[in-house]
Amino acid sequence: DVKVTQSSRYLVKRTGEKVFLECVQDMDHENMFWYRQDPGLGLRLIYFSYDVKMKEKGDIPEGYSVSREKKERFSLILESASTNQTSMYLCATKRQGSSYTFGSGTRLTVV
Amino acid sequence: AQSVTQLGSHVSVSEGALVLLRCNYSSSVPPYLFWYVQYPNQGLQLLLKYTSAATLVKGINGFEAEFKKSETSFHLTKPSAHMSDAAEYFCAVRPYGGSQGNLIFGKGTKLSVKP
Repeated sequence: DVKVTQSSRYLVKRTGEKVFLECVQDMDHENMFWYRQDPGLGLRLIYFSYDVKMKEKGDIPEGYSVSREKKERFSLILESASTNQTSMYLCATKRQGSSYTFGSGTRLTVV
Repeated sequence: AQSVTQLGSHVSVSEGALVLLRCNYSSSVPPYLFWYVQYPNQGLQLLLKYTSAATLVKGINGFEAEFKKSETSFHLTKPSAHMSDAAEYFCAVRPYGGSQGNLIFGKGTKLSVKP
C-alpha cells in the first residue's frame, strides 16, 4: 500500500511565522496535492504538482506556496501565517489512472 | 464549472437502520464519482468509485452507490448501519478529461449512529 506521511499531526504557530508542512510518499506517484479542510466547507484544493519542480494553483492558493524538489516530497509553505489559516491540511498523492491516497492530516492552529 | 452537492450536513440513524447519504453532481458529461470516508482525526479513505462501468458500485464496509445519469445523482447507501459507521462522508467528482485528475469535493455529511 502507498503510504503518505505528513510530518506533524498537530502544530501551533504564531501569527507572522513562516510555516512548513511536509508530505512524503513512499511510492512513485507523479501527482501530489495539498487540500485544506474546514467545517462546512469540505476540502478545498490549495496547490498541486504533477512532476518534480512543477506546480499549479488550486482554488485557494492565496497566502500559500509549495515546493517539490524531489518526487517523493511536497511541501506547503505559509509565508506569513495568519489566524484565518487555522485549519486541517491534507496531503494526497495519485498515480495516473489510480485513486487518491490521503495522509492523516496536520491540524494547524495559528495564534 | 463542475460541482458536487451533498444534501444534509448531518444525518442521524439508529443502529441497524438504512443509511442514505445524498450526492448530486453538475456535469453535462458523466464524470468519475467517488465516495470517501473520514474517521475522527484521520485522513480520507476511499469507499468506492464510479468510472463508467457498472452503474451500481459496491464498496468497502457494506456500502454501495448507484449512478443515475437522469437524476445526476450518486447516492451512498448501506442496508444496516453499524456504530462503527459514524464518520464524515465526502462525495467527490473528477470531471471527464479533468486536468491531472483533480477532485472536486462536496462539503461533507457527518453520519451519527444511535444505539
